[in-house]
Amino acid sequence: NAGVMQNPRHLVRRRGQEARLRCSPMKGHSHVYWYRQLPEEGLKFMVYLQKENIIDESGMPKERFSAEFPKEGPSILRIQQVVRGDSAAYFCASSPQLNRVERDTQYFGPGTRLTVL
Amino acid sequence: GENVEQHPSTLSVQEGDSAVIKCTYSDSASNYFPWYKQELGKRPQLIIDIRSNVGEKKDQRIAVTLNKTAKHFSLHITETQPEDSAVYFCAASTGFQKLVFGTGTRLLVSP
Repeated sequence: NAGVMQNPRHLVRRRGQEARLRCSPMKGHSHVYWYRQLPEEGLKFMVYLQKENIIDESGMPKERFSAEFPKEGPSILRIQQVVRGDSAAYFCASSPQLNRVERDTQYFGPGTRLTVL
Repeated sequence: GENVEQHPSTLSVQEGDSAVIKCTYSDSASNYFPWYKQELGKRPQLIIDIRSNVGEKKDQRIAVTLNKTAKHFSLHITETQPEDSAVYFCAASTGFQKLVFGTGTRLLVSP
């Protein structure tokens, strides 16, 4: 049973470019969460999605950031016109269906380390 | 919203000693409290969790206790080993929602 997958693992962008981060949840999981971790800091919630729905985007900056989880394919976190302050590790996590045991347990992917030059 | 505080920020112990990390939370509606271990450059790994209908949970050398009245929960690691060295994060959630994380504890176990 494959775990949460993220790609790319490392991404380098120049200021002003776009960054696209992908997350494939664990098999059987329908909930995806994105978190950001700055160097030497904790994890901060960004957005919570179910298939084709954004449930909670209270942690996501209003501008330049967007997220989706389409019916088919991975969840995507998109950052437009990146700035140096966007450099961080971006982790996604997934959790099972609401009617499953341990439905609130979140399992993390390996992260995408974004560096903005 | 929920706020989680974690102490200490760093903890150094000798191999074989016990380590205790404490967290407090602010939202009385929170009912799920996981602990994650993160090694340098790696993903956070769930090591144990507790739900608000129990007061204590144990898994081999790791235990977690929860005091709902005082709104705090603690991680206990007994017989520490060098491979326990990592950053440990506590978190709180109201269930099926975002995790609010503490600021982390860097645990160093010296041989």
